[in-house]
Amino acid sequence: DAGVIQSPRHEVTEMGQEVTLRCKPISGHNSLFWYRQTMMRGLELLIYFNNNVPIDDSGMPEDRFSAKMPNASFSTLKIQPSEPRDSAVYFCASSFQAHSTDTQYFGPGTRLTVL
Amino acid sequence: DAKTTQPNSMESNEEEPVHLPCNHSTISGTDYIHWYRQLPSQGPEYVIHGLTSNVNNRMASLAIAEDRKSSTLILHRATLRDAAVYYCILRDASGAGSYQLTFGKGTKLSVIP
Repeated sequence: DAGVIQSPRHEVTEMGQEVTLRCKPISGHNSLFWYRQTMMRGLELLIYFNNNVPIDDSGMPEDRFSAKMPNASFSTLKIQPSEPRDSAVYFCASSFQAHSTDTQYFGPGTRLTVL
Repeated sequence: DAKTTQPNSMESNEEEPVHLPCNHSTISGTDYIHWYRQLPSQGPEYVIHGLTSNVNNRMASLAIAEDRKSSTLILHRATLRDAAVYYCILRDASGAGSYQLTFGKGTKLSVIP
């Protein structure tokens, strides 16, 4: 099993540009999560999908952030326009279900730098 | 949300056991205790979880106090690869938020060769 796949691994962009982060969850998993990690705030949940439907997006910082899951094997997190304060490591995770005993498997992350 | 308290950092010598403590005095009866760890420059990975009884798996053991207000993650023989930030997390089995993994600051474990 390849695990959760994220691309790109590193992204450097200029303020105002659009950024798209991609995630392929583990096959057969029905739940997908996007997290952001910064030194100041640690790991935070941005959005959670179940069966491709967004269930909880209360962690999405503002309207500049959007996430989609068009099918069970692909999700995107888009930032438009990007700002320097969006610089962080963004993790995608998936789990079979979203029960309290289900393990979440994390991808390697995308390190985003906005100049 | 029930919160956890962990020491900021700990050190261990290689090949010795490590006991990582976690206090969760406001834990509810339906909260599972989960441990994840994050190795440098990697995403978090699952270590172990439990509800009331002690648990063992190939990675570690989880010892849960009888009143469930604290728990200890035990690495039986620390290796250099175990150097990571360890997170103790409570997950509520009862409500709609059971999917939540709320990460605190964790304990940074250093392993000395």
